[in-house]
Amino acid sequence: AQKITQTQPGMFVQEKEAVTLDCTYDTSDPSYGLFWYKQPSSGEMIFLIYQGSYDQQNATEGRYSLNFQKARKSANLVISASQLGDSAMYFCAILGTYKYIFGTGTRLKVLA
Amino acid sequence: DGGITQSPKYLFRKEGQNVTLSCEQNLNHDAMYWYRQDPGQGLRLIYYSQIVNDFQKGDIAEGYSVSREKKESFPLTVTSAQKNPTAFYLCASSMFLVGTGGNQPQHFGDGTRLSIL
Repeated sequence: AQKITQTQPGMFVQEKEAVTLDCTYDTSDPSYGLFWYKQPSSGEMIFLIYQGSYDQQNATEGRYSLNFQKARKSANLVISASQLGDSAMYFCAILGTYKYIFGTGTRLKVLA
Repeated sequence: DGGITQSPKYLFRKEGQNVTLSCEQNLNHDAMYWYRQDPGQGLRLIYYSQIVNDFQKGDIAEGYSVSREKKESFPLTVTSAQKNPTAFYLCASSMFLVGTGGNQPQHFGDGTRLSIL
């Protein structure tokens, strides 16, 4: 069975600084996909970035990058140059059998 | 613009009452999903559907029912058997059922917040 662990319930970061949100996973599948989603206070889930287990390079999407360490089973999200609008809940998810499995999330607060 | 529309945004249920949450998508996606989110927790899968007239139970299906009569629509009924229905409900869709072809992300609606009166 797959499992996602996010150990940081809340994080603070100063505006314009970088922040790393931790995510570790457990799976026995040789091939898998990892996703990060952002959930603002309004409630919608916004897809940010995807990493495949066989991808040679770490995924990047604008200010978002994924620090993928396969041997350690970690897929940390790095947000560079934080903005006030980045304040939200962030969820890591792994692709399971016919479903996504989500972590409990990290609440990020960007300080002006 | 293509997307997923959930309605209503807020819903109140009386004891012993069934309520139905609407989810419509115009993305031409085959697969649709319902999740429940409780404070401080991640999303948990209630039901999912790969194609019209077919759906499967997720991890917490008890007290819920769904139908998939049209590709675009996947309504969720919270029945009176669900004793703790207060939560935030999110509907999602993906081109194919996740895990069956490609690692495409799910697209989510804006959610429905259900409370007990």
